[in-house]
Amino acid sequence: GQNIDQPTEMTATEGAIVQINCTYQTSGFNGLFWYQQHAGEAPTFLSYNVLDGLEEKGRFSSFLSRSKGYSYLLLKELQMKDSASYLCAVRDSNYQLIWGAGTKLIIKP
Amino acid sequence: DADVTQTPRNRITKTGKRIMLECSQTKGHDRMYWYRQDPGLGLQLIYYSFDVKDINKGEISDGYSVSRQAQAKFSLSLESAIPNQTALYFCATSDSGLAGGHEQFFGPGTRLTVL
Repeated sequence: GQNIDQPTEMTATEGAIVQINCTYQTSGFNGLFWYQQHAGEAPTFLSYNVLDGLEEKGRFSSFLSRSKGYSYLLLKELQMKDSASYLCAVRDSNYQLIWGAGTKLIIKP
Repeated sequence: DADVTQTPRNRITKTGKRIMLECSQTKGHDRMYWYRQDPGLGLQLIYYSFDVKDINKGEISDGYSVSRQAQAKFSLSLESAIPNQTALYFCATSDSGLAGGHEQFFGPGTRLTVL
């Protein structure tokens, strides 16, 4: 079966750095996405990785290792507004997105 | 602004009622999707459409139907609502060009409660 695993909840301190991991087992791979979702709101796109390596976009970076079925999202200089759920999704061989359950990130002052 | 809109935003209904959720987009995307989200679970794909004449079942299509009335409109129907269809429903769109990751853009969601 297809599976996306990410931690249920993480806590970090304002101004710090946090890494959210995602491991996947899917039928085929056509890219990995990270989305941010504030409570009760729509998911919004953060990053896309299709090749191995690190993609940096401002305070957010995303890493992919296809051979290990592993990705992480790195958030630097954490702000209170970063408190949200972070969703990992993999596009499979049918070009459908398989979604993880999300990691709820709590930022403390 | 180009956008994805959903109506209604909230709906409370009773078991056995027929419900329609509507989605419209001004992004010019040809691909549209319906998802449901339950607490503690990932987004689950109900139906998707790659163009007006293309409708496909997702992983949890039982109890749902869809209609793609135009490129910009994609509606989801619950023929006879049941309590375990209580969830947050999202519509999403993406393009199909040769370049880019084709990320999905989401509407604001419809919170549906079936009593």
